[in-house]
Amino acid sequence: KAGVTQTPRYLIKTRGQQVTLSCSPISGHRSVSWYQQTPGQGLQFLFEYFSETQRNKGNFPGRFSGRQFSNSRSEMNVSTLELGDSALYLCASSPRQTTNYGYTFGSGTRLTVV
Amino acid sequence: GENVEQHPSTLSVQEGDSAVIKCTYSDSASNYFPWYKQELGKGPQLIIDIRSNVGEKKDQRIAVTLNKTAKHFSLHITETQPEDSAVYFCAASSSGNTPLVFGKGTRLSVIA
Repeated sequence: KAGVTQTPRYLIKTRGQQVTLSCSPISGHRSVSWYQQTPGQGLQFLFEYFSETQRNKGNFPGRFSGRQFSNSRSEMNVSTLELGDSALYLCASSPRQTTNYGYTFGSGTRLTVV
Repeated sequence: GENVEQHPSTLSVQEGDSAVIKCTYSDSASNYFPWYKQELGKGPQLIIDIRSNVGEKKDQRIAVTLNKTAKHFSLHITETQPEDSAVYFCAASSSGNTPLVFGKGTRLSVIA
């Protein structure tokens, strides 16, 4: 079956712009988590959604927001982009509500802010 | 909250040798410990996980051990092959309702 699909794969934006990233989980998976990956900080948790409800939020500024739709697809938005937002943004899905279960990650969206 | 430390940050081994990566965690309530492998241009892939009621788990050439008293867990790869070269991440979750917290990764290079 299809894996976790993230679009777009690559994105270049200018400081001050906003961006929307999309994630389609594995069919039947209702839990979606987002992580930011940078060389210096590793994988840092952004959000977790289950059945359209945000269950957890990481320690990121309010410029980072997300949502989940009724078909479990998820989007995250970053407004007023800063150079430091350049990173690989990873989405992961799980069939269960609990986080004590294996995540399946997508290949990520590489965001470059110039 | 949970904090996960991972060592070493880089590891080079000869093909056929064993590789060991160690992680420590801070929250004694943590009870789920997965390991992920990330190859270039791909997202992390779950390779093995262990829960707190188990001390060791094996899957072919890969094994994970957990010491709850010392709050550390390790990944052991035996008979390493060039395709094992990747970045490996450990993670921990203190309950089913808190996010997975990841270590900063170990870049493993297997030299043929």
